[in-house]
This record gives sequence, structure tokens and C-alpha cells, in this order.
Amino acid sequence: EVQLVESGGGLGRPGGSLRISCTVSGFSLDDYGMSWVRQRPGKGLEWVSGIVNWNGGVTSYAESVRGRFTISKDEAKNSLYLHMSSLRVEDTALYFCVRDSYYYAVDVWGQGTAVTVSS
Amino acid sequence: VLTQSPGTLSLSPGERATLSCRASQTVRSDYLAWYRQTPGQAPRLLVYGSSSRAPGIPDRFRGSGSGTDFTLTISRLESEDFAVYYCQLYGTSPLYTFGQGTKVEIK
Repeated sequence: EVQLVESGGGLGRPGGSLRISCTVSGFSLDDYGMSWVRQRPGKGLEWVSGIVNWNGGVTSYAESVRGRFTISKDEAKNSLYLHMSSLRVEDTALYFCVRDSYYYAVDVWGQGTAVTVSS
Repeated sequence: VLTQSPGTLSLSPGERATLSCRASQTVRSDYLAWYRQTPGQAPRLLVYGSSSRAPGIPDRFRGSGSGTDFTLTISRLESEDFAVYYCQLYGTSPLYTFGQGTKVEIK
């Protein structure tokens, strides 16, 4: 069964850092690109960052997090990460780990990990 | 930019729902997808490539459209269909752009 399980969310301080993780099972990170999508409380969906499964794992970021967030993966550990620094209150959200399908959409979602940024 | 309408749709179980997603410029049909999100759950892929149902999605869901105008039609609403629906466009940066969502609520 294909599964994505996020962890590492919690409380972060403005200007501080947090790292969230996603452990995948049922498929290999070698075979799929992966992304993080967030949802602020009561709001819609926002793509945050992605990493491809080819070309050395090229990464991309939303304008709102570029220069502050870093996506990475460890294929041997079947894990995806998002290192968040210079946190802002507006980064408060539920962060979903997602799999990029072969047909330009997200075909698998984790249940999300909540990040709250507050002093 | 993707604009979904209406913001809220009030319907009864068994009725037909028609949801709209409009792009600010012409897009490739294979780049347009639809998701359903029920309260407390992660979104679920319903339709990709504007009209192809994802695995396990019942045939009461039908996606259509081209150019700038796309539609998700739910032929007969069931209890689990009362939820928020998002359209999504694939791109380069950002990789995915989502519409603001349409809430389908029980009338």
C-alpha cells in the first residue's frame, strides 16, 4: 500500500527553524517527484516546494518561501524533508507531503503535520 | 490564476452539482485536475487531464472543458460529496496552482 506519513510539526518561533519529515512506503523516491503543499487554517491549498526524481533532484520553491525553506530527500531512508528557517507567523499551516503523479497532478497525500509559528 | 465559482453551492443529496474553474489564460487540458477535500481529511484526486477519472473514482464525477474554462460535474450527490473542491493547474513555478475552492453544502 502506498503511504505517506509526516512528522516533526509543532510550535516554532518567529525567526526560528523547524524540520518536518515524510516517510514513504509502497513505492520508491527514485521513481516519483515529491512536493510539500500547505493549508493555512480555514484556507485553501498552496504548493510550497518540490523535488524531482531525475536530474540530480532539482528543487523548486514557491515565491513565499524561497530562500527560507529547503526541500531534500534521503532515498535510502525513504524520506522527504522540509527544513524551514526564518519562520513567519504566516507559515502557520498544515503541511502535506504529496507524490507528484506521472500525469501533472498529485495522486497521493499524507495526512499532514501541523506547524504553528507564534511567539 | 485559477478562479472557481461559485464559492458555495447549496444542494440536496441526489441533485446534480456543476462546479466551474476558469484560468486567466489558455492552458493545456492535460494540466488541469480536480480534488475533493472532506473536513479533517487530506484532499483526494478526482480527475486529472481535465477529464480522466483517477483510480477508484466513481463515474458520477465527470470533468470537462478546454482552453480557459473547465467544469466538474457530479451527477447525483452522495453524502461524502458534501465537501470542498479544488481545481489545480500544473506549471513550472509554481509547480501547482490551486483555485480558491468551491464548497458544496447540504441545502
